[in-house]
Amino acid sequence: EAGVTQFPSHSVIEKGQTVTLRCDPISGHDNLYWYRRVMGKEIKFLLHFVKESKQDESGMPNNRFLAERTGGTYSTLKVQPAELEDSGVYFCASSQYPDFSGNTIYFGEGSWLTVV
Amino acid sequence: LAKTTQPISMDSYEGQEVNITCSHNNIATNDYITWYQQFPSQGPRFIIQGYKTKVTNEVASLFIPADRKSSTLSLPRVSLSDTAVYYCLVGVLGGGADGLTFGKGTHLIIQP
Repeated sequence: EAGVTQFPSHSVIEKGQTVTLRCDPISGHDNLYWYRRVMGKEIKFLLHFVKESKQDESGMPNNRFLAERTGGTYSTLKVQPAELEDSGVYFCASSQYPDFSGNTIYFGEGSWLTVV
Repeated sequence: LAKTTQPISMDSYEGQEVNITCSHNNIATNDYITWYQQFPSQGPRFIIQGYKTKVTNEVASLFIPADRKSSTLSLPRVSLSDTAVYYCLVGVLGGGADGLTFGKGTHLIIQP
């Protein structure tokens, strides 16, 4: 069974440009999460989709970040315009159920973003 | 969401048993305790999860005392490939605005 896949694995863009990260969750997983770790900081929650709906987007840092999950399958996270402090690794994860109790979430390899 | 405290780093030698303890004094009744492993340039990978007492799988054991205010991840006979960051997490996914909080993790270094 394929795991959570993310694209691109690495991206280097200039400040002010736009980058779109894509995540394909495990088939059948309604719950999709985005996390990120920026420069030496801890992994932080960004948002949670249940199918195509945003269940919780309290972790989104500002309005330069836009996440979508049209059709409830894959998700995209767009950063526009990118700033230097956005550099880091963006993880996507998915789970079958939203409840962590007795359940697990599966992470992708991450998309490494460098803004120069 | 319960906050966790773990050692920043540990080191050991191949073939030894390694125990990493995590404190979570404010754990809630319905919180589970989950450990993840992360290698450089990879995403976190699930190791083990438990609610109370002891859980064992093919990779590790998890010991949880009765008060559940701490937990210990036990890795038997470690090898060099066990060098990684280990995260202890407690909480209920989707149950609050904080989501899952990873904390700083424990950097485990295994030497030959």
